Amino acid sequence: GESVGLHLPTLSVQEGDNSIINCAYSNSASDYFIWYKQESGKGPQFIIDIRSNMDKRQGQRVTVLLNKTVKHLSLQIAATQPGDSAVYFCAEGLGGSYIPTFGRGTSLIVHP
Amino acid sequence: NAGVTQTPKFRILKIGQSMTLQCTQDMNHNYMYWYRQDPGMGLKLIYYSVGAGITDKGEVPNGYNVSRSTTEDFPLRLELAAPSQTSVYFCASSLRDGSSYNEQFFGPGTRLTVL
Repeated sequence: GESVGLHLPTLSVQEGDNSIINCAYSNSASDYFIWYKQESGKGPQFIIDIRSNMDKRQGQRVTVLLNKTVKHLSLQIAATQPGDSAVYFCAEGLGGSYIPTFGRGTSLIVHP
Repeated sequence: NAGVTQTPKFRILKIGQSMTLQCTQDMNHNYMYWYRQDPGMGLKLIYYSVGAGITDKGEVPNGYNVSRSTTEDFPLRLELAAPSQTSVYFCASSLRDGSSYNEQFFGPGTRLTVL
């Protein structure tokens, strides 16, 4: 399940399960959103993005859902694998600024 | 392409020392950024640049300086290092080409400790 404490929120799942990572964004005017994956000791890596005129976008094993009414974004990972273990960040931005704002991140732990 | 490279990977500084964190990208990106990441936290923007010769402050610029004399390089200077600057520093770049979103490419990071 998901827990929130003094450290990063953490989601623990079993290998093969589907994972859902949630993100609440702050600016109702944001018109693009990006998910990044950060493995231990590495820099963040782009996963998938979505524009505000969409409510769903699918990639390879990942789906991003956008609910503008409640300013909520989620990343769904199908058939989670140990290699998916990482910290996942959402970022929001305005199309003209190219300066996205990053959220705090969620740590995903996949148990074999 | 090597992408975004950063040097050094690790560094320990004494309080009051200065250093420059190097960042180079070979993708001809016009935008470059410096972030710091404290343990268990997200990325905070220190400075960014929209092109050679142009830099601007981000969320946490105090204690840092940058320059952008070429498209490829975006060094970050720490003057009078303080323990509060202990962090992992990430450089990133992106290409503004008229698309409405911004995929940033990140370097591997520099882990800095100030004692």
